[in-house]
Amino acid sequence: ETGVTQTPRHLVMGMTNKKSLKCEQHLGHNAMYWYKQSAKKPLELMFVYNFKEQTENNSVPSRFSPECPNSSHLFLPLHTLQPEDSALYLCASSLSRTATNEKLFFGSGTQLSVL
Amino acid sequence: DQQVKQNSPSLSVQEGRISILNCDYTNSMFDYFLWYKKYPAEGPTFLISISSIKDKNEDGRFTVFLNKSAKHLSLHIVPSQPGDSAVYFCAASGGGNAGNMLTFGGGTRLMVKP
Repeated sequence: ETGVTQTPRHLVMGMTNKKSLKCEQHLGHNAMYWYKQSAKKPLELMFVYNFKEQTENNSVPSRFSPECPNSSHLFLPLHTLQPEDSALYLCASSLSRTATNEKLFFGSGTQLSVL
Repeated sequence: DQQVKQNSPSLSVQEGRISILNCDYTNSMFDYFLWYKKYPAEGPTFLISISSIKDKNEDGRFTVFLNKSAKHLSLHIVPSQPGDSAVYFCAASGGGNAGNMLTFGGGTRLMVKP
């Protein structure tokens, strides 16, 4: 496999369910990101991880706490969800966190629906 | 307040004609701009970029123009093809956000009719 892989592609959850979104990148990159796209809103950066350390938390509610065991894997555990958490969650990676002219490579996303 | 705006949520163009997608930004510190393309059920993929030291960058059918004084950039696709039908996102980096933390616009859905 190549690129950035996200699983699952679709997820329907109740507010009390627990599940984790998974992201894996096969590009040898050092930085990974979680983005959220709600309906009719721009892509919003949630978190940035560089060499598996969190470097940015973009004012995300505390119920979201990613796990990054290494530079290739990023997880987003889901629990105590709210209806406004329904969105497309996109994972991305880049070679470096610091270069402004680098491209992000995105996964296909997980479409989350909270009942 | 959105720092990157795409004011046209959708655009419809005839095959073979030019598609022009527009993007405006407010932060004069942005120094790198990118366009991403997104098909349904797929993640965004990089299309073309431009540095603030340039005013034009061309790659095949795609050209991005940057007007720094107007804080405006545009993506031209010519000739447009049905396979170009997708959502196009404008993004910017720099602007006090160190590194490549991208700020995205809301996207423009392009429909190219055969």
